[in-house]
Amino acid sequence: EAGVTQSPTHLIKTRGQQATLRCSPISGHTSVYWYQQALGLGLQFLLWYDEGEERNRGNFPPRFSGRQFPNYSSELNVNALELEDSALYLCASSLWGNPSYNEQFFGPGTRLTVL
Amino acid sequence: AQSVSQHNHHVILSEAASLELGCNYSYGGTVNLFWYVQYPGQHLQLLLKYFSGDPLVKGIKGFEAEFIKSKFSFNLRKPSVQWSDTAEYFCAVISNTGGFKTIFGAGTRLFVKA
Repeated sequence: EAGVTQSPTHLIKTRGQQATLRCSPISGHTSVYWYQQALGLGLQFLLWYDEGEERNRGNFPPRFSGRQFPNYSSELNVNALELEDSALYLCASSLWGNPSYNEQFFGPGTRLTVL
Repeated sequence: AQSVSQHNHHVILSEAASLELGCNYSYGGTVNLFWYVQYPGQHLQLLLKYFSGDPLVKGIKGFEAEFIKSKFSFNLRKPSVQWSDTAEYFCAVISNTGGFKTIFGAGTRLFVKA
């Protein structure tokens, strides 16, 4: 069974540009989660999508946005990039519904570097 | 504010030593608790979880954790560590009062000396 996949592996951008990160969940999973892992910090919750809808978002500015497609894959967009956006962005997927009860399966991450 | 604290950022142990990693959270309401592990070069994966019932939960690879509600704690333990337990360990909490956001601790890097 294929795991969660993310692309690209690495992404280098300059300040002010936009970045688009992609995630494909495990087959059968309808929930997708995005996390930011900055150096020395734990995972910071960004967004949760389920069945195409944004269910919750973390304490991040509106320039962090995303969407979930009908095939449950997801995209994270970061506009007006700032240096402190440099981090590893992790995507996870789980079965539908309440994330309290469903294990999240993580992808390898996208390393975003903002110069 | 809702938060998860992991007290030890780096832990170094010799093989066969006992392990206890601390995790405390500040939440009201019902919580579900998790420990995730990231081995070198691998993805984050679930080690164990607590939803309800017996506060002592057992996970993979001989790990266990105890939920102590009065102390808002969910410490991870293993009686005898192996070199292969070298990894980074993350405690995570989901609360129904937090809109089911998963809040992770900062992680603890464990290095086990052979």
